[in-house]
Amino acid sequence: KQEVTQIPAALSVPEGENLVLNCSFTDSAIYNLQWFRQDPGKGLTSLLLIQSSQREQTSGRLNASLDKSSGRSTLYIAASQPGDSATYLCAVEVLNGQNFVFGPGTRLSVLP
Amino acid sequence: GAVVSQHPSRVICKSGTSVKIECRSLDFQATTMFWYRQFPKQSLMLMATSNEGSKATYEQGVEKDKFLINHASLTLSTLTVTSAHPEDSSFYICSARSVAGRTDTQYFGPGTRLTVL
Repeated sequence: KQEVTQIPAALSVPEGENLVLNCSFTDSAIYNLQWFRQDPGKGLTSLLLIQSSQREQTSGRLNASLDKSSGRSTLYIAASQPGDSATYLCAVEVLNGQNFVFGPGTRLSVLP
Repeated sequence: GAVVSQHPSRVICKSGTSVKIECRSLDFQATTMFWYRQFPKQSLMLMATSNEGSKATYEQGVEKDKFLINHASLTLSTLTVTSAHPEDSSFYICSARSVAGRTDTQYFGPGTRLTVL
């Protein structure tokens, strides 16, 4: 059974810092991995999608890496801003697309 | 922890038929449920926000007459894909929002894979 964990559960940093969010999954047989942002009371916003054959994806100040063999992904946020404050979720899609397994999320607070 | 179920997990139907997908919050009341869909190799996209007892709010580009959402109770929301066509084949996932005390958390269903032949 695929399990996804995220570390840390919560993170508070001053504005401008670079930070790394970690995601681990137990079964390396995945179809893809996604990082999402969730604001309170809102739906998900997809940030980056990494196919199983890829090693990283970049979008603006965000960079996500994937090491499928070790079951890990990291989300790197450069020059953090207060507007980055949200919960960040990673989710893996198991092979055959049967379901997504989401991590519990990392709640990020960027202090001005 | 809170659990959200979806039924069915997979459905295959013929073009032109209608398909209903259920999203249930099993151990909490959800005033708000979200419906997402994901096409192959694309990101999950929010389709609509469903509030109990009121009309759903659809995202731009989502046809409300094609994707009927009913949120008649605090534990059940349904998504009906009317007159389904092959281009509607997608992965549909719901999430339910739980507001308990000071905690505002969203829980996701496992998803429904729809294939329209």
